[in-house]
Amino acid sequence: SQKIEQNSEALNIQEGKTATLTCNYTNYSPAYLQWYRQDPGRGPVFLLLIRENEKEKRKERLKVTFDTTLKQSLFHITASQPADSATYLCALSTGGFKTIFGAGTRLFVKA
Amino acid sequence: DVKVTQSSRYLVKRTGEKVFLECVQDMDHENMFWYRQDPGLGLRLIYFSYDVKMKEKGDIPEGYSVSREKKERFSLILESASTNQTSMYLCASSTNTGTGNNEQYFGPGTRLTVT
Repeated sequence: SQKIEQNSEALNIQEGKTATLTCNYTNYSPAYLQWYRQDPGRGPVFLLLIRENEKEKRKERLKVTFDTTLKQSLFHITASQPADSATYLCALSTGGFKTIFGAGTRLFVKA
Repeated sequence: DVKVTQSSRYLVKRTGEKVFLECVQDMDHENMFWYRQDPGLGLRLIYFSYDVKMKEKGDIPEGYSVSREKKERFSLILESASTNQTSMYLCASSTNTGTGNNEQYFGPGTRLTVT
């Protein structure tokens, strides 16, 4: 069956370090992969989209990689700050209208 | 600034009641979605609509229906609320470029409790 897996355990890192979150998928051939940020009690907010023919995408302190051979995306936040603390969701789309979301990984950045 | 609004942030209903959740977007988006979010399960798609009066079932449509009479408004209806429908409900919208893979804009969510 199709599955998206994000680390369910929270990630705790020190301010200034690079946070790396992982998204693995099985039985999909996604055309697009997106990352969202969600704060407690709020809706997700779009961060980045990467296409299957792109290896890497950057936006300010954010970097996303997409390895269709490994079926994995990595999401990096460099020089992390306490304000980056949130839940980060990955989402896959195979080209239709539906987007499938992972359960998210909670990130805590300590000052 | 783009905006998706939902009619209530918190809602408490009794088992068997008919519940209406309203969502309005001001971005002239073609696509609108209803999800529910439960701990450990992520967002699960209930229904979506790619045009006025059009609707498609998502992954968990049982016990729900939807209505889209106007482009900016997408309503989720719980015909007879049950306790297992206690959840956070999120509405989203996106533009349609033909691939359907654009970023989604989410509302703040409605936390529904059914007692």
